[in-house]
Amino acid sequence: GAGVSQSPSNKVTEKGKDVELRCDPISGHTALYWYRQSLGQGLEFLIYFQGNSAPDKSGLPSDRFSAERTGGSVSTLTIQRTQQEDSAVYLCASSLATWPYEQYFGPGTRLTVT
Amino acid sequence: GEDVEQSLFLSVREGDSSVINCTYTDSSSTYLYWYKQEPGAGLQLLTYIFSNMDMKQDQRLTVLLNKKDKHLSLRIADTQTGDSAIYFCAVANRDDKIIFGKGTRLHILP
Repeated sequence: GAGVSQSPSNKVTEKGKDVELRCDPISGHTALYWYRQSLGQGLEFLIYFQGNSAPDKSGLPSDRFSAERTGGSVSTLTIQRTQQEDSAVYLCASSLATWPYEQYFGPGTRLTVT
Repeated sequence: GEDVEQSLFLSVREGDSSVINCTYTDSSSTYLYWYKQEPGAGLQLLTYIFSNMDMKQDQRLTVLLNKKDKHLSLRIADTQTGDSAIYFCAVANRDDKIIFGKGTRLHILP
């Protein structure tokens, strides 16, 4: 596609429910990143994929967070048993796997946990 | 680990130059980036500089890098209302991880 797309654009869920956030990267981009942006905060790195493997999962806040990527393309970020502190905008970015790693960002998914 | 710091707010009069500053801690940083985020939108890469450069200019944008002081700045000449946004500094470290600052909100005064 023309750019990185994310769905849904907005998600409201009740505390304790599971949610899945989807990211469609730019075709041909082998690197894919997930970030979290809370109100008034910068971007918090969550996880990075190179192809289907995730060499760096160090940013995942807890074991309630997981992500997968299939076919070197679409990625899904899953949050289990959501908590109110999970409310944020979740941003996905993709890039070619070479320097300078120019990242192209999607519009984000705004997650609200009530 | 790498830490990237920016001031949170900057107000500039329309037509003046804006200078947004960023400091980082990892001296082995390779690429340094400036991203722009307009309200309700994702981040857009504005420009980047390789660590062996000290300046890069692109139309109204000038990036200055002082490696000794680990200081990066973004100058926007002739600031316009459309420049109102949050500007993020980001730094790539030796492990290829890109660390973002908290962003500087640029407010344009009439």
